[in-house]
Amino acid sequence: SAVISQKPSRDICQRGTSLTIQCQVDSQVTMMFWYRQQPGQSLTLIATANQGSEATYESGFVIDKFPISRPNLTFSTLTVSNMSPEDSSIYLCSVEDLSRAGYTFGSGTRLTVV
Amino acid sequence: AQRVTQPEKLLSVFKGAPVELKCNYSYSGSPELFWYVQYSRQRLQLLLRHISRESIKGFTADLNKGETSFHLKKPFAQEEDSAMYYCALSGGGGSEKLVFGKGTKLTVNP
Repeated sequence: SAVISQKPSRDICQRGTSLTIQCQVDSQVTMMFWYRQQPGQSLTLIATANQGSEATYESGFVIDKFPISRPNLTFSTLTVSNMSPEDSSIYLCSVEDLSRAGYTFGSGTRLTVV
Repeated sequence: AQRVTQPEKLLSVFKGAPVELKCNYSYSGSPELFWYVQYSRQRLQLLLRHISRESIKGFTADLNKGETSFHLKKPFAQEEDSAMYYCALSGGGGSEKLVFGKGTKLTVNP
């Protein structure tokens, strides 16, 4: 199955700043998914990123707040913009695991906004 | 609307006891159901999916369309089963988003 490297693993940021999270996959994948897991909550899909096209955002998430880049079939970034304490969460990227027809997840980025 | 419900936030059993983690779903079509597990300090990983009808680490899960359930079961729990378990649903086709339940934290006591 695909191996995902996600970084940074954690960060503490000042409110009003932005953080870019990187996700690198060891094989080419069509879709990459970005999730958020708020404290004590489940995973919520932020957006789906296809190479060569605009990301598709879920209800409640907008491009200005969470811009995504997908420059090639193995890499994507998610930026959390103009951060507030409410953005403190774990952010995860995910790709489809064709070998088991499920989804593989990165190790996550634990973001704390102060 | 797609929804996954895991009614138990916490579940505690003793080693060797049977364990069942409940999952109910709401979906208008024919969904694909998954169980994901997250052990302490590890990333989220796929445990099993209903289509493959597999048994992983002694766990099984049967899709009951009549009851819209996909409960995870293991006849004899082990301490290493202690983890966070998430039930998830997708619309099928392999490229649909996953909708997760809120998770159940399983603790297996010695």
